[in-house]
Amino acid sequence: GDSVTQMEGPVTLSEEAFLTINCTYTATGYPSLFWYVQYPGEGLQLLLKATKADDKGSNKGFEATYRKETTSFHLEKGSVQVSDSAVYFCALTEGSNYQLIWGAGTKLIIKP
Amino acid sequence: DTEVTQTPKHLVMGMTNKKSLKCEQHMGHRAMYWYKQKAKKPPELMFVYSYEKLSINESVPSRFSPECPNSSLLNLHLHALQPEDSALYLCASSQEFQREGYQETQYFGPGTRLLVL
Repeated sequence: GDSVTQMEGPVTLSEEAFLTINCTYTATGYPSLFWYVQYPGEGLQLLLKATKADDKGSNKGFEATYRKETTSFHLEKGSVQVSDSAVYFCALTEGSNYQLIWGAGTKLIIKP
Repeated sequence: DTEVTQTPKHLVMGMTNKKSLKCEQHMGHRAMYWYKQKAKKPPELMFVYSYEKLSINESVPSRFSPECPNSSLLNLHLHALQPEDSALYLCASSQEFQREGYQETQYFGPGTRLLVL
């Protein structure tokens, strides 16, 4: 079945560092891919999405490119801030499967 | 505007209590969802409503009873819960439930943090 694998956390970085959170997926068809962010004590927010190969999703300085050849959707940001500290979830939907398939989540800690 | 609101923000209840969680969206979305999220885990789907009708029940115990009074509102009625039901309950909505073989983007609310004593 479909699955999403994220790098294990926590990921700890200093402010202004470059961020990459790896996400790879397994799917039989052509999934849509998402990054959701959950700040401490809050609900989930859609951060960005991509619906077809080579699409780049971007928002708030974060970017991710849908790479079909490597089945990846890695999240990147050029310069992180303390306020980016949160848990980041990679997820996919595919075809008529109504479920959002989630990765395990990656906790990001940014130190001043 | 992609806002989903949920009330209350926090809820503490005893195992014999009856309480309700509320969710509201004004984006004209026709699909609404309830999820349960335990600490440090991704959300687990509980129910899906499409056009105010229950489409999906993920084998949720009957002590959880969903209700969709209209296209903007979604309730989750709670009765005789167990301590293991303590979790963050998230509501989400999407334009449609399923459209031409693909899933619409889901937008989540801030959640209700439930503690069952």
